[in-house]
Amino acid sequence: ETGVTQSPTHLIKTRGQQVTLRCSSQSGHNTVSWYQQALGQGPQFIFQYYREEENGRGNFPPRFSGLQFPNYSSELNVNALELDDSALYLCASSPRTGGNEKLFFGSGTQLSVL
Amino acid sequence: DAKTTQPPSMDCAEGRAANLPCNHSTISGNEYVYWYRQIHSQGPQYIIHGLKNNETNEMASLIITEDRKSSTLILPHATLRDTAVYYCIVRADTGRRALTFGSGTRLQVQP
Repeated sequence: ETGVTQSPTHLIKTRGQQVTLRCSSQSGHNTVSWYQQALGQGPQFIFQYYREEENGRGNFPPRFSGLQFPNYSSELNVNALELDDSALYLCASSPRTGGNEKLFFGSGTQLSVL
Repeated sequence: DAKTTQPPSMDCAEGRAANLPCNHSTISGNEYVYWYRQIHSQGPQYIIHGLKNNETNEMASLIITEDRKSSTLILPHATLRDTAVYYCIVRADTGRRALTFGSGTRLQVQP
């Protein structure tokens, strides 16, 4: 059973550019969530995808968008990058059991915006 | 989701029990207490969760007070690999699925 994998592990972009981060969920998991973790802080919820549709969103602007594919993998897209977007982006997958499912996190993508 | 309060940092000697406290005085009846930890350069890792009763698994024990306003995560025999940031999170079993992370407790296990 493979865990949650994210790519790339590190990325450097300049302000104004666009970025796409990728996540492969754990086998059998149909729900994917994305979190942003700034240095020294806890992760902050961006959004969640279930059956290829956004199923909940945190306090992030529309330039943060995502996709989920039929195989449950997912992408996070960020347009018009700002310096404050520099952070660790974490993907988490879970089985949708309707109860207290655990989240399984990947190791994240470290994004630096210059 | 109810807010949680944790001490910013704690130290523990290797081989001793680590007891990490968490206050969640505004917890609602349908909200569970979850614990995750994050080792440096990794994503958060689930440890344990509970509603009312004390819980134990291979990683830790969770003690929840009778009024549910606070809880304690116990690592019975801390090792150097347990050095991490530990997050106490309260989450309802319905509705929004997101985890609301605070700043957590940075546990340093000393040799």
